[in-house]
Amino acid sequence: GAGVSQSPRYKVAKRGQDVALRCDPISGHVSLFWYQQALGQGPEFLTYFQNEAQLDKSGLPSDRFFAERPEGSVSTLKIQRTQQEDSAVYLCASSLGTGGMTEAFFGQGTRLTVV
Amino acid sequence: GENVGLHLPTLSVQEGDNSIINCAYSNSASDYFIWYKQESGKGPQFIIDIRSNMDKRQGQRVTVLLNKTVKHLSLQIAATQPGDSAVYFCAENTGNQFYFGTGTSLTVIP
Repeated sequence: GAGVSQSPRYKVAKRGQDVALRCDPISGHVSLFWYQQALGQGPEFLTYFQNEAQLDKSGLPSDRFFAERPEGSVSTLKIQRTQQEDSAVYLCASSLGTGGMTEAFFGQGTRLTVV
Repeated sequence: GENVGLHLPTLSVQEGDNSIINCAYSNSASDYFIWYKQESGKGPQFIIDIRSNMDKRQGQRVTVLLNKTVKHLSLQIAATQPGDSAVYFCAENTGNQFYFGTGTSLTVIP
């Protein structure tokens, strides 16, 4: 597709349930980022991939959060044993270059609500 | 994360007027900045970027100014239109990460 695609758009999970959020970056983009955006706040960095390598996962809030990009294209963010504080919009972004010095394009996000 | 904050959380302007949105950053080593626009229910949309070796960059109806001395960034929107109503974020690049401020909500009054 022409842009970054995320699915599902909305996800409601019961507390304790595992969820998987998918990101299809722009074709050929080397860099992929995941961000978490709480209501009324700016996006907070979670993790960064360069191709299939996860080079930075310093923003992942706990070991319940796990991200992968096995073939260097599609990425999945998995949250295990979801908690209410995990409720947020999860944004994926991709960029053509590496090292952060190039324009990053964002997807629409997945709104996760944990009940 | 880094401290990237905005001076004004909300801004209302009359249609046709110019808008100025400000942003302060704390990391003097940051070398790349992006302004994003985010409409309700959508992901951030790239508006304009600037590298640290520049003071000013112009796009279509938008201008970004960078003052490295006081670590300040601004976004100027000329002839603001109702479609410009959104939340605007400045993002600061350090290494592999972009740090975002809280955002400024711009409302254009017809």
